[in-house]
Amino acid sequence: EADIYQTPRYLVIGTGKKITLECSQTMGHDKMYWYQQDPGMELHLIHYSYGVNSTEKGDLSSESTVSRIRTEHFPLTLESARPSHTSQYLCASSEWPRAGGYNEQFFGPGTRLTVL
Amino acid sequence: GQQLNQSPQSMFIQEGEDVSMNCTSSSIFNTWLWYKQDPGEGPVLLIALYKAGELTSNGRLTAQFGITRKDSFLNISASIPSDVGIYFCAGPVGYDKIIFGKGTRLHILP
Repeated sequence: EADIYQTPRYLVIGTGKKITLECSQTMGHDKMYWYQQDPGMELHLIHYSYGVNSTEKGDLSSESTVSRIRTEHFPLTLESARPSHTSQYLCASSEWPRAGGYNEQFFGPGTRLTVL
Repeated sequence: GQQLNQSPQSMFIQEGEDVSMNCTSSSIFNTWLWYKQDPGEGPVLLIALYKAGELTSNGRLTAQFGITRKDSFLNISASIPSDVGIYFCAGPVGYDKIIFGKGTRLHILP
C-alpha cells in the first residue's frame, strides 16, 4: 500500500478564497506530481518536481502554484479560487527511473475541490 | 502531441463475464501501463509491460504489449463486483511524466 497522503479529502469554499491542498509521502521519493481530473475523466498533469527546490509546469495550464521545500511535502496553492477550479486534484510520487525501465507512480486518494 | 485512445469508453456487463479493452496510439511507446481507479480514490498500477509482444498476468487480469508498440490490451476474466471502476492505459513520455488515456468505465449489472 502506497504511503502518500492528501488533505483535505473534500473541500467546499467560496469564490476568492486562498486554498492550499496538502500532499505528503513517506517513501522518500524524489519525484512528485499533481494531476487535475474532472469526475470520471482523464488525468492531466499540472505540476511536477524532481526534488527539493524543483518545480515544473505540466501539460495542462493551471493557475495554481506549488512548492517543494521538503522531500516529503508538495503542497498546491490557489491564491483566489474560482468555480472553474472545481475538480479533483491527485498527487503522486515516484523514484527516479531506473535505466531502461519505469518506476511506478503512487497516487494519493485525491482532494475533491468545489468552488461556489 | 502524443495521445492514447481507449475503447470502449464504457462497458456494462454481467458478473462473471470476461472483459476486453484496448488502448491505441499514433506514437510508439516502449512501456505500457494499466491503472485502475476505484470511485473516490487515486489510480493504482495493475500491470506494467516493457517489451513488444509481452503478455503479463496479475490474477484474473492479463495485459498484452502490441507488437507494433502502438497498442495494448487488457482482459479481465470472470468479472466480480470489485472490478467496477475506471481503467486507464498510460505511457511514459521521457523520464519526466506519463500520459493517460481517457479511460474505460466498467459497470457490473446487478
